[in-house]
Amino acid sequence: ELKVEQNPLFLSMQEGKNYTIYCNYSTTSDRLYWYRQDPGKSLESLFVLLSNGAVKQEGRLMASLDTKARLSTLHITAAVHDLSATYFCAVGNAGNNRKLIWGLGTSLAVNP
Amino acid sequence: NAGVTQTPKFRILKIGQSMTLQCTQDMNHNYMYWYRQDPGMGLKLIYYSVGAGITDKGEVPNGYNVSRSTTEDFPLRLELAAPSQTSVYFCASRETGAGGYTFGSGTRLTVV
Repeated sequence: ELKVEQNPLFLSMQEGKNYTIYCNYSTTSDRLYWYRQDPGKSLESLFVLLSNGAVKQEGRLMASLDTKARLSTLHITAAVHDLSATYFCAVGNAGNNRKLIWGLGTSLAVNP
Repeated sequence: NAGVTQTPKFRILKIGQSMTLQCTQDMNHNYMYWYRQDPGMGLKLIYYSVGAGITDKGEVPNGYNVSRSTTEDFPLRLELAAPSQTSVYFCASRETGAGGYTFGSGTRLTVV
């Protein structure tokens, strides 16, 4: 059974600092997603990672995937308040239906 | 391009009542999903569909039913509402292949 663990679950950081969110999963998968959710809002797709060594960057966020270690990271560079949100990783089950298993989310607060 | 549209946005039900959550997408996506999100948790898959006329159960299907008569519409039916069904419900769709999921804005349901 595929399980997805994110850590930390809560993160409070200062503006301008760097930090990394980790997403571990338990069985082989061929795709990993990162999403952002603002309080009371829907989920916004950030990154889709499809292969070992994949790295994608958008602004101050960079995501990477190591399929051998079953690990993805979401790195935040020089955090700003606008990045405050909950970040979810989700891992695709191998197979045609591509059901996702979700982590519990990392609640990020960026403070001045 | 509206994307994924969910109605209603909010609803209060009494125990034992029934209702249908509507979901429509205009992107011609084959895959559609219903998730529920409980406070502080990730998303749990209720039902999904890989095309018109084809549906299947997810992780937490009990108490729910779905139908998929057209590519665009994927309604979720709650029969005999229970307090345990108090949650935020998200509908999502994606195209065939490696793309990300597009989420609707959510329906916040309270059963009292």
